Order: sequence, then structure tokens, then C-alpha cells
Amino acid sequence: QSVLTQPPSVSGAPGQRVTISCTGSRSNIGANYDVHWYQQLPGTAPKLLIYGNTNRPSGVPDRFSGSKSGTSASLAITGLQAEDEADYYCQSYDNSLSGSGVFGTGTKVTVL
Amino acid sequence: EVQLLESGGGLVQPGGSLRLSCAASRFTFSDYAMTWVRQAPGKGLEWVSDISGSGGSTNYADSVKGRFTISRDNSRNTLYLQMNSLRAEDTAVYYCVRGWRSYPFDYWGQGTLVTVSS
Repeated sequence: QSVLTQPPSVSGAPGQRVTISCTGSRSNIGANYDVHWYQQLPGTAPKLLIYGNTNRPSGVPDRFSGSKSGTSASLAITGLQAEDEADYYCQSYDNSLSGSGVFGTGTKVTVL
Repeated sequence: EVQLLESGGGLVQPGGSLRLSCAASRFTFSDYAMTWVRQAPGKGLEWVSDISGSGGSTNYADSVKGRFTISRDNSRNTLYLQMNSLRAEDTAVYYCVRGWRSYPFDYWGQGTLVTVSS
């Protein structure tokens, strides 16, 4: 089961700003482990979107940004575009489990 | 560009076995830990298992511990997942991913579908 909680869905009109939260605990995000974000377009494999809490891989538009504070992290999408409609997942590491990576529950972003 | 190509998925009866393979190319395979991640139909991502670059350290999700075995052959640049005693709840697309633990999963394969059904 997922130990990182995300809202099931968020939506916004083109051009708007949306944010996705990722809530963890003291054994994962709160233990100072990095948070990474992935975008999964329909029918495709996930793609790394943000790594190390705030960093964008080459080729990812600067409309995507990440932040982290305490036991939570957030992904923001500014200037929402139709092509951003996808599922988004956060990921971190949990030291209370058998040395495992952990994923968020996932958020569906809908562009209205 | 890094390439990860999974194979070995298919339809298997409950209690059966499958071995997934992931052929890696365009990077020094032995330098990187690798992970298997799965996604049940219409569901989210689930971490399954990971292995260090040398193969000397492995970890498993509780849901697969004792049934699945991760391994690698660095001479063949290939990652494996041996899946035994398969259950209906193991039905999923299985992704081969570069990275592990608190590090980002920076490259993903296209996935291979495993269906466990009678």
C-alpha cells in the first residue's frame, strides 16, 4: 500500500496554476529523503519530471516546479496546457519498510 | 539515450511461474542499481524489488517476498525477475527502472504485461 498520500484528482483551465500535494511521515519525507515526481501520459510509461525535490531533468519545461517542507512535498504546474493532462506520482524512500522506495497514490490532472 | 527493454510477460495460471528480463543498453549497466515497479490495471505504481549494481544487495516488497527473486547478469547487461507462486493480484504491467532507494528512477522501460488468470 502507498505510504505517500496525494489527492485523487485536480483540474484547471488552460493557463491556470495547479498544485499537487504529497503527504508523508517522519519515516520518509520527514526523514529528509528526497522526493521525486513522475508524469504518466495515457498508455505510456512514467517519466521523471522532478528529482531531488526541486530539480528538472533536461527537457522538462520550467512550468513544472517542486518543493518540499517537513513531511510533505508539492508539485506545481503553472500555465497549464492540454498536454499536461496525465497522472502524476510522487516518490521517496521509507526507512521503516524493508529498504524500499515508496510511491504516492497518484493524482489525475484534468485540463478543463 | 538509455534503453531498457522488458520481455517475458504473458498469461499464466495461478500458482505458475514467469521470468521477466530487461535488456539494458547505452549505459554502463554494472554502475547502476535497478528496480522493478509494477502497475495493476487502472491502479497506481507499486515498488516491487531492487538490486544493487553488483547484485550483492536486494530488497523486496512484503507482497512478493518469498515468491519473487530479482537478479542481474552484468556480463549480459540484463536484469531479471523470477516470479513464482503467482496470484491474481500480481496481474500488472511490470516496468524495469534505473535507480533505487532514495534516488530518482530516471529511465523506465516500456513495460511488460503479466496476467495471472485461469
